Amino acid sequence: AQSVTQLGSHVSVSEGALVLLRCNYSSSVPPYLFWYVQYPNQGLQLLLKYTSAATLVKGINGFEAEFKKSETSFHLTKPSAHMSDAAEYFCAVTFTGGGNKLTFGTGTQLKVEL
Amino acid sequence: GAVVSQHPSWVICKSGTSVKIECRSLDFQATTMFWYRQFPKQSLMLMATSNEGSKATYEQGVEKDKFLINHASLTLSTLTVTSAHPEDSSFYICSARVNTGASRAEAFFGQGTRLTVV
Repeated sequence: AQSVTQLGSHVSVSEGALVLLRCNYSSSVPPYLFWYVQYPNQGLQLLLKYTSAATLVKGINGFEAEFKKSETSFHLTKPSAHMSDAAEYFCAVTFTGGGNKLTFGTGTQLKVEL
Repeated sequence: GAVVSQHPSWVICKSGTSVKIECRSLDFQATTMFWYRQFPKQSLMLMATSNEGSKATYEQGVEKDKFLINHASLTLSTLTVTSAHPEDSSFYICSARVNTGASRAEAFFGQGTRLTVV
């Protein structure tokens, strides 16, 4: 069975500060990992994905994440937060042969303050 | 990236009526689509996997007779909420998977449908 755990349901940062959203996964086989962003009353937009290539993955809007097998982590970071980054962020996992059924974390609400 | 369109974006219906939600892959073919339900301030819960030309696979606890899924073509899946009740009010989101190429294994999401049953 596979799962993801997102530590911190709410994260608040100042504009211009570092954003760090945590995600740890559990999978008995090599995983594919994703970060999605959701704005109110909208679907999910893919920020970035790890599919067994480079462990440091760069995504859209200045976000990046690093796959660390030893720590079973895939934390999302952005060097400098912008007001427009305020949204809900979901980490998700699937694996080869898993039928691409995504298992989502519980989400982290990011608040960006002036 | 691939585009998935979901319609309607919001709908209000009376208790006891049925509502159909459409999910279309606009620029690719999707043999598999997924339907999720999201309660306020919560994560996405997979309801069912929609397979083109065959029956949908429902997750445990999801009533297949209440949530009818049809995937008649490679670009369209529909979810019909039958005899809707207020507790069915929720945000429903579909996703579709690209089968080949660099985007393989990636799921693209529709914009969601806000269903309110009154």
